[in-house]
Amino acid sequence: NAGVMQNPRHLVRRRGQEARLRCSPMKGHSHVYWYRQLPEEGLKFMVYLQKENIIDESGMPKERFSAEFPKEGPSILRIQQVVRGDSAAYFCASSPNWGETQYFGPGTRLLVL
Amino acid sequence: GDSVTQMEGPVTLSEEAFLTINCTYTATGYPSLFWYVQYPGEGLQLLLKATKADDKGSNKGFEATYRKETTSFHLEKGSVQVSDSAVYFCALLSGNTPLVFGKGTRLSVIA
Repeated sequence: NAGVMQNPRHLVRRRGQEARLRCSPMKGHSHVYWYRQLPEEGLKFMVYLQKENIIDESGMPKERFSAEFPKEGPSILRIQQVVRGDSAAYFCASSPNWGETQYFGPGTRLLVL
Repeated sequence: GDSVTQMEGPVTLSEEAFLTINCTYTATGYPSLFWYVQYPGEGLQLLLKATKADDKGSNKGFEATYRKETTSFHLEKGSVQVSDSAVYFCALLSGNTPLVFGKGTRLSVIA
């Protein structure tokens, strides 16, 4: 049973470009969570999605950031017009149901030049 | 709101030393508690968990006991190895809130 998969593992963008981060949850998991980790800090919750629905986006910046989890395919975290402050590691986690243990992917490390 | 406080690192130990990483929490209701470990350049791996008071989570020689009276979930290992060098995160899950993490404690074990 494959774990949570994320790609790309590393992403370099110039200021003003768009970044697209993908996450495929574990088989049988329909709940996906995105977290951001700034250097030397813990993880901060961004958004929680179920298939085709955003359940909680309280941790996601109101501008430039969006997330989706379509009926088919991976969850996507999209950052438009990236700025240097967006440089961080972005982790995706999944669980079979809300309130159950979350399993994390290897993360995407975004560097904005 | 809910929060997790971990002892600040870095923690440097010699191989075979005893490890304790303190973790205390503030939460409404009865949270589930977790320890995750992050090896260099990798994602978080679940190390152990406990879902109710007095439960003891254990894995790979690590242990933590859910103490409701002291709102703590301290991580311990009797004899650390160089391969245990990593960042350790304490986290809680409660009610309708997402996972709340501590800031992490970096452990370095030297031979």
